[in-house]
Amino acid sequence: QQQVKQSPQSLIVQKGGISIINCAYENTAFDYFPWYQQFPGKGPALLIAIRPDVSEKKEGRFTISFNKSAKQFSLHIMDSQPGDSATYFCAAFLNDYKLSFGAGTTVTVRA
Amino acid sequence: EAQVTQNPRYLITVTGKKLTVTCSQNMNHEYMSWYRQDPGLGLRQIYYSMNVEVTDKGDVPEGYKVSRKEKRNFPLILESPSPNQTSLYFCASSFAGVPYEQYFGPGTRLTVT
Repeated sequence: QQQVKQSPQSLIVQKGGISIINCAYENTAFDYFPWYQQFPGKGPALLIAIRPDVSEKKEGRFTISFNKSAKQFSLHIMDSQPGDSATYFCAAFLNDYKLSFGAGTTVTVRA
Repeated sequence: EAQVTQNPRYLITVTGKKLTVTCSQNMNHEYMSWYRQDPGLGLRQIYYSMNVEVTDKGDVPEGYKVSRKEKRNFPLILESPSPNQTSLYFCASSFAGVPYEQYFGPGTRLTVT
């Protein structure tokens, strides 16, 4: 059973638009929420991460919004570029060293 | 160059023939982990290791074995592979202080017929 539910499965956005990916979890013991980016033929790479006591974190064009009461968090990609086309995974980390991933969202940015 | 390496990158084998996928990292990381990636399921953790000689099960450990005799190496062993283990496998490593910041290898595509 997937501990982190991710949506949508895929999305297409025009260059310059905003991509939004949503994730939800049930286990309130998770204590860190990273996002990973994966290009075809490559392993995932850490993009940005947030702690549950922070409501928002921004790094460049990437922003995580975190709603602890709703047990939801989301990734916003502002001013999307063709180079952002990739699969994005949300994840949740337990302090017993387990990392649970969402199913992934394939983002396609059209020029 | 800091990296996680996996070998082989591609492997086709038959049911029941024991195989080992090697994983090595040169970043002096304490934590290492194995994942399998399947369409629609994301990445699922198979086994992880907090340090030499310390390993524990992830979410899908059945049919797999691991060992951690050296800090840099963390091989994944399939004693009797079955077709449902056909998947894309990733090894990852991180420092113990930031275990959610994992560095992934390039992946091993395994097909079991």
